[in-house]
Amino acid sequence: KAGVTQTPRYLIKTRGQQVTLSCSPISGHRSVSWYQQTPGQGLQFLFEYFSETQRNKGNFPGRFSGRQFSNSRSEMNVSTLELGDSALYLCASSLEGRANEKLFFGSGTQLSVL
Amino acid sequence: DAKTTQPNSMESNEEEPVHLPCNHSTISGTDYIHWYRQLPSQGPEYVIHGLTSNVNNRMASLAIAEDRKSSTLILHRATLRDAAVYYCILRAQNNNDMRFGAGTRLTVKP
Repeated sequence: KAGVTQTPRYLIKTRGQQVTLSCSPISGHRSVSWYQQTPGQGLQFLFEYFSETQRNKGNFPGRFSGRQFSNSRSEMNVSTLELGDSALYLCASSLEGRANEKLFFGSGTQLSVL
Repeated sequence: DAKTTQPNSMESNEEEPVHLPCNHSTISGTDYIHWYRQLPSQGPEYVIHGLTSNVNNRMASLAIAEDRKSSTLILHRATLRDAAVYYCILRAQNNNDMRFGAGTRLTVKP
């Protein structure tokens, strides 16, 4: 069974641009969640999608958005990039997104904002 | 919001047991306790989770204090491949919020 796939693996953007990251969950998983990881703030929850609906959201500005498609694939978008958005963006999938389920993480997209 | 507190780093010798502690004194009654580990250049990997009772699986054991304000991840025989950053995470049942600690960097010495 293929794992969680994130594309692209690396991305370099400049301030003010926007970026879209993609996440393909494990087949059969309907919940996809996104996380930001930085050396200073550690791992922080961005949002979770289930059945094409955003179900939970972390404490991030509106520049961070996402969506989920009918095949459970998800994208996240960051508009008007800032230097502080440089981070490893991770997505994870699970069957139903319940608190007692395992999360399966992708390897992440390393975003550098110059 | 409940959060977790972990030591920044720990060291262990190969083939010896390792006890990784986590404090979560403001945990709510319905929060699950999860542990994940992260190797360099990889996403976190699930290790174990529990609610109230101690749990065992092929990777590790999880000991949960009776008042649930702390827990300990036990690696029974550390190997070099266990060197990673270990995260203790609370997952809320009501909104599936996830609160990460800063993680413990485990070094395993041969």
